[in-house]
Amino acid sequence: SQQGEEDPQALSIQEGENATMNCSYKTSINNLQWYRQNSGRGLVHLILIRSNEREKHSGRLRVTLDTSKKSSSLLITASRAADTASYFCATLDQTGANNLFFGTGTRLTVIP
Amino acid sequence: DTEVTQTPKHLVMGMTNKKSLKCEQHMGHRAMYWYKQKAKKPPELMFVYSYEKLSINESVPSRFSPECPNSSLLNLHLHALQPEDSALYLCASSQVTGSNQPQHFGDGTRLSIL
Repeated sequence: SQQGEEDPQALSIQEGENATMNCSYKTSINNLQWYRQNSGRGLVHLILIRSNEREKHSGRLRVTLDTSKKSSSLLITASRAADTASYFCATLDQTGANNLFFGTGTRLTVIP
Repeated sequence: DTEVTQTPKHLVMGMTNKKSLKCEQHMGHRAMYWYKQKAKKPPELMFVYSYEKLSINESVPSRFSPECPNSSLLNLHLHALQPEDSALYLCASSQVTGSNQPQHFGDGTRLSIL
């Protein structure tokens, strides 16, 4: 399976704290994407980082990518209760199939 | 509100029924996808359409039959499903397959097989 692994599986923090989620993957990639999924809803694209990039920012989000370790991290700063959701990394591989493979996900709970 | 619309939001059907899930997008995207998501699991790709042609079928049982009538619509026809097929079915679209473009997801159809 090309599915990535995320850790932690679940994370509970107080509002205002930072949340860090990690993603590891198995194959060479074209890019890595992070998505958020609120309970009972579809996935929302957050940020995309290309294989030749090491860090990217978008608002309170910071993503890093280490292709030598096949890993990425998502940092959410100054968390809010509305950030409570599941977060998935997804990789677009270079095998030619051009499919997105999702990681196992991290369930984030931000306590007001 | 999402830009990808899926209907119905919920569907309960027996194992002998025939039903269809529908997905619509008006963003001009030429790639559309069906995913299956079980509870507390990541989405798993089922089918990919590129320019209205089926390009990928991830070894999905024939009781699931996709159809892309035009560039804005994607259907998933269901027949003789099994209880283990109960899941959230997500539709997504992107400008084209691959490339550095994100996918846009609908809110899904929650399917329950009795």
